[in-house]
Amino acid sequence: QVQLVESGGGLLKPGGSLRLSCAASGFTFSDYYMSWIRQAPGKGLEWISYISSSGSTTDYADSVKGRFTISRDNAKNSLYLQMNSLRAEDTAVYYCARSRVVASISPLDYWGQGTLVTVSS
Amino acid sequence: DIQMTQSPSTLSASVGDRVTITCRASQSISSWLAWYQQRPGKAPKLLIYKASSLEIGVPSRFSGSGSGTEFTLTISSLQPDDFATYYCQQYDSSSPWTFGQGTKVEIK
Repeated sequence: QVQLVESGGGLLKPGGSLRLSCAASGFTFSDYYMSWIRQAPGKGLEWISYISSSGSTTDYADSVKGRFTISRDNAKNSLYLQMNSLRAEDTAVYYCARSRVVASISPLDYWGQGTLVTVSS
Repeated sequence: DIQMTQSPSTLSASVGDRVTITCRASQSISSWLAWYQQRPGKAPKLLIYKASSLEIGVPSRFSGSGSGTEFTLTISSLQPDDFATYYCQQYDSSSPWTFGQGTKVEIK
């Protein structure tokens, strides 16, 4: 069955950096667009970034553009989010998720359980 | 960016009630709209895509409608498992994806 497992969250100070990982299994990872979505405590969902199945195309929300970088390693069935210049407002649970249609930007049919990132001095 | 506005923010209902949630887009998104359900402490679950297509495995009491800028999610007969928060999301390719602010369905 499809599984997405995030890791790498933690507590860090403003200005710091962190790399999140998402390990995928149960499907042909290299066929699917992948995304990162976050949810601040008690708040709604915010899409952050997506990456195409090959990794050649990416897009970002304005709130993270220039600070966050999405990438993938199809040989390792893994998705990554490099987060730099972190701010208090980046505090959230970060989810990775899969687009439902092969090789297409499409709604997200499988989600991980999330990893918590806390940015605080 | 396209703004998504849901109403109401909170909805109190009883088991068996028919429930409707509205989502409005700040510009036309054709039918590029999805609905998700999120229970407390859990990841969101895809219910509806392309405004009205039911995701596999989702009960038929859930339905979606609309196009352009106005969309609705209807639960025909609310069940205990349905008390949760619901989000709409636009995925128009011309704009970054955005979610609505969420609608919490509470027990009356």
